[in-house]
Amino acid sequence: GQQVMQIPQYQHVQEGEDFTTYCNSSTTLSNIQWYKQRPGGHPVFLIQLVKSGEVKKQKRLTFQFGEAKKNSSLHITATQTTDVGTYFCVTGGTSYGKLTFGQGTILTVHP
Amino acid sequence: EAQVTQNPRYLITVTGKKLTVTCSQNMNHEYMSWYRQDPGLGLRQIYYSMNVEVTDKGDVPEGYKVSRKEKRNFPLILESPSPNQTSLYFCASSRQGGEAFFGQGTRLTVV
Repeated sequence: GQQVMQIPQYQHVQEGEDFTTYCNSSTTLSNIQWYKQRPGGHPVFLIQLVKSGEVKKQKRLTFQFGEAKKNSSLHITATQTTDVGTYFCVTGGTSYGKLTFGQGTILTVHP
Repeated sequence: EAQVTQNPRYLITVTGKKLTVTCSQNMNHEYMSWYRQDPGLGLRQIYYSMNVEVTDKGDVPEGYKVSRKEKRNFPLILESPSPNQTSLYFCASSRQGGEAFFGQGTRLTVV
């Protein structure tokens, strides 16, 4: 089945610094979703990308889908303590009945 | 309020004692699925269902059973739990091609 590799596994930043997590696949992906899981919580949907080269923004968050649709990234500008959590990239198959998660990037923000 | 409800939230059981974790959604979603989350491994799909009476194996189905007799419910059954099934479990539901909504999670310990 499809696999997505996510790096880094951990990232520690000072509040105000930027943060980026990357997701890579050896095969072409039809879609990428990003989820955030707060400590002790459950994954919450952030965004979905389906088009080659697509870029979407949500306030301080910028999501990109690569031209070859084999990689994606999530960039957070000027991190805040509320950004703490684990960020997952996810690809969906069989019209998204089947979701494959990356390993996640655990973000810690030091005030 | 749109939600996915899992019960119980916490469960400690002994090896070999059958247990069921319930999952219910009130959004009339066609798709439902179960995941387990283990440190460093992200979320791995156990089983998914694309409609009533239609279920399929995910990436780690061994030792688990599911059923989808009604659209809103998707229970996870462990016929003979073992310690390696100690994990955090999430149920999720979605529409075709849409974002997944996750339950609050069930932390299972098998001793």
